[in-house]
Amino acid sequence: DGGITQSPKYLFRKEGQNVTLSCEQNLNHDAMYWYRQDPGQGLRLIYYSQIVNDFQKGDIAEGYSVSREKKESFPLTVTSAQKNPTAFYLCASSIGTGMDEQFFGPGTRLTVL
Amino acid sequence: KQEVTQIPAALSVPEGENLVLNCSFTDSAIYNLQWFRQDPGKGLTSLLLIQSSQREQTSGRLNASLDKSSGRSTLYIAASQPGDSATYLCAVGRGGGADGLTFGKGTHLIIQP
Repeated sequence: DGGITQSPKYLFRKEGQNVTLSCEQNLNHDAMYWYRQDPGQGLRLIYYSQIVNDFQKGDIAEGYSVSREKKESFPLTVTSAQKNPTAFYLCASSIGTGMDEQFFGPGTRLTVL
Repeated sequence: KQEVTQIPAALSVPEGENLVLNCSFTDSAIYNLQWFRQDPGKGLTSLLLIQSSQREQTSGRLNASLDKSSGRSTLYIAASQPGDSATYLCAVGRGGGADGLTFGKGTHLIIQP
């Protein structure tokens, strides 16, 4: 089955800790994305990567970091510098031309205790 | 900066009715427009993708139109069913290349049996 997997489904973090959210795709897509969703708000772009070993900041990159060492993987680290990290995090991928369809994973819900 | 607005924010209709969801965007220089469905606590499911050069796309009971010059898109759902109950999100492709999507806040749709 081709698709996007995210793990874990639920994540709890204490204040001051860094946590890493996993995103893997087996669609052979070049481009991958991370979005954040808060209640009552649209999704907002955190980081995106158009190709391996390259990534760009989105609209709300502060307090987050990413890596893209493999085509199929795009992990997101939520650092202690992120002031309000409790949210639903969604990973997506696309073929990579800029005009193509984006496909989303099932999401990770992060709660800071 | 691109802004995407969806009207109405919530809609409740009896089963069997045809309905229209609206999406507007402020910058007509878009690459594409995508409609998604989101069930509670889940990721996004892509419904329709319209390229900037296209006027409409159809899939089953769904039809999406795009008028770039006026900055508007509509999603038409024919013969609504209770299983159509979900939040519907509109998103526009941004910038050149695979730069991510800008989302509206969504329309929460309830189809009454």
